[in-house]
Parts: sequence; structure tokens; C-alpha cells
Amino acid sequence: AQKITQTQPGMFVQEKEAVTLDCTYDTSDQSYGLFWYKQPSSGEMIFLIYQGSYDEQNATEGRYSLNFQKARKSANLVISASQLGDSAMYFCAMRDTNTGKLIFGQGTTLQVKP
Amino acid sequence: DVKVTQSSRYLVKRTGEKVFLECVQDMDHENMFWYRQDPGLGLRLIYFSYDVKMKEKGDIPEGYSVSREKKERFSLILESASTNQTSMYLCASSLGEDRVQETQYFGPGTRLLVL
Repeated sequence: AQKITQTQPGMFVQEKEAVTLDCTYDTSDQSYGLFWYKQPSSGEMIFLIYQGSYDEQNATEGRYSLNFQKARKSANLVISASQLGDSAMYFCAMRDTNTGKLIFGQGTTLQVKP
Repeated sequence: DVKVTQSSRYLVKRTGEKVFLECVQDMDHENMFWYRQDPGLGLRLIYFSYDVKMKEKGDIPEGYSVSREKKERFSLILESASTNQTSMYLCASSLGEDRVQETQYFGPGTRLLVL
């Protein structure tokens, strides 16, 4: 069965610094997709970035980048130049290739300090 | 931009009431999903649908049913609300062309309190 693990319940980072949020996954599929979502206190899940298992390059999207290490089965999110508005909960997710549903990790709460 | 809307942001209901949560997407997406989110448990899939009038059970379908009469609308029904259904409910939709790569887009969520 596919599984996503986020081991950091909470993280702090100083404004303008970079932060890495950890995500490890488990799957026996050769083809899979990994996603990161942001959930501010308002509740909406906002899609941030996607990495495909066959993508040779790490995904980047503005200040977000994904440190994809396939052999280690990790897909860490890196946020550069943190802003106060980055304070939120962040979820790593994987798509179940049979059903298309998303399997989520437990989430990491990030607080950006001024 | 994809827009997924949910009928209520906050809802308070009494035990035993029938509750309808509505979700509408405006991007002609094939797939729609209902999740619930609880502290410490993350998001769990309740039901999903690949097409009009189609529905599939997710991981925790007990106590819920769904309806998809039109492509853009996916309703979650709590037949007889119970206090353990107090939760945050999130609707999502996706295009339906590539199950590995395609992104799910979420609505703003409904916080349901059952008294």
C-alpha cells in the first residue's frame, strides 16, 4: 500500500530564510506523482508543486522547489526566502495510481517569524 | 483559474439531522472527490466520482452517501448526522485525463459541527 510520511509536526523559520519540509513515501509503483499543498488557517488546500517519478529534474515553482531523491524515496519541499504569508500547514501527497485519489501525509505546520 | 466552491463555510447541525454538503466546479472536470480532515488523521477520502451518476467508495464511506446528477456538482449527504462526523469537509476536482499526473483542486472547505 502507498504511504506518505511527514515527520515534522511543526517548524519555525525566520523571515527571509529558507526552510525544508520533509516528506518520505512508500510505493511499489514505477510511475507515480507527488504533490505538495499549502493549507492556511482559512482552510483551503492550495496546490503548490508537482513531481513525477520519471521527471529527471527537480520541480520548481517560484520560491518553491522539490528536492526529489528517488532512491531514498523522499520528496522534500524547499521554500526559499520565507515570507510571513508562508505560515500555514503543508501537506505532501501521492496519487494512488489505481483510483486517482490522493494519499496525504499528516502535515507540517510552518510558522514564519518576523 | 479552476474554481471549486462549497455551499457553506460553517455549518451547525443536530444529531440525527440529514445534512447536505454541496460542491460545484466550473472547469468541466470529470473527477470529483470528498475528503474529511481531522487533527492527527490528515485527509481521508470518503467518496469519489469519475463521471455523472458514478460513485465509488473511498476509505471511510460509512455514514455518508453522495450524489452526482450533473457533471459540475457533487453532493455529500450525511443521512443521520452524528457527533463523530464533526469535521472539516473538503471537496476536490480533477480533469480526469491522467491519473498519475493530474492535480486535484480543492474548495474552501466546510467546517461542520454536529451537536
